[in-house]
Amino acid sequence: GENVEQHPSTLSVQEGDSAVIKCTYSDSASNYFPWYKQELGKRPQLIIDIRSNVGEKKDQRIAVTLNKTAKHFSLHITETQPEDSAVYFCAARDSGGSNYKLTFGKGTLLTVNP
Amino acid sequence: DGGITQSPKYLFRKEGQNVTLSCEQNLNHDAMYWYRQDPGQGLRLIYYSQIVNDFQKGDIAEGYSVSREKKESFPLTVTSAQKNPTAFYLCASSMGRTAYNEQFFGPGTRLTVL
Repeated sequence: GENVEQHPSTLSVQEGDSAVIKCTYSDSASNYFPWYKQELGKRPQLIIDIRSNVGEKKDQRIAVTLNKTAKHFSLHITETQPEDSAVYFCAARDSGGSNYKLTFGKGTLLTVNP
Repeated sequence: DGGITQSPKYLFRKEGQNVTLSCEQNLNHDAMYWYRQDPGQGLRLIYYSQIVNDFQKGDIAEGYSVSREKKESFPLTVTSAQKNPTAFYLCASSMGRTAYNEQFFGPGTRLTVL
């Protein structure tokens, strides 16, 4: 099955700096890579996703890049703000016909210091 | 945040007892999922269902059981066979039909075994 590795496990930045979280996956046939944000005490919510036929996607201050050859994808947050502080999870969709299940990384705790 | 609910929010269980966690959605989603969240472990898939009356084991199904008798409901039973059941349990749903649909999460149930 799919295996997703996520780094770093914790990340601390100053407000206004950029933050980058990296993930690698094992199944070269995976074709969908979402990122979820979980604030303290709340449920995970999708913030951005990318399909395998796209190399980069942006949404305001967040962007995701995908390198299919190297089997890794990254989340980039620019101009970080204290409200960006949360746990971020990357995920990859398992290949396998109509299988919709995702495999998640172990998460990155991002702290943005004012 | 509405659309998918879990109950109860907190649940305490004595060793040797089975307990059932509720998950309901009114989003008309076909697919539903159960995850277990432990500190530093990310989200691990327990069971998932892509259609009524059908479900598949995830990565950590041992000691758990599910049913999917109605589209709206996907209860999870934690049996006495689960060796370490204390955890935060998240239910999710997605439209299904394609691989790229967002998974929407419920607020979670925190289970503690006394």
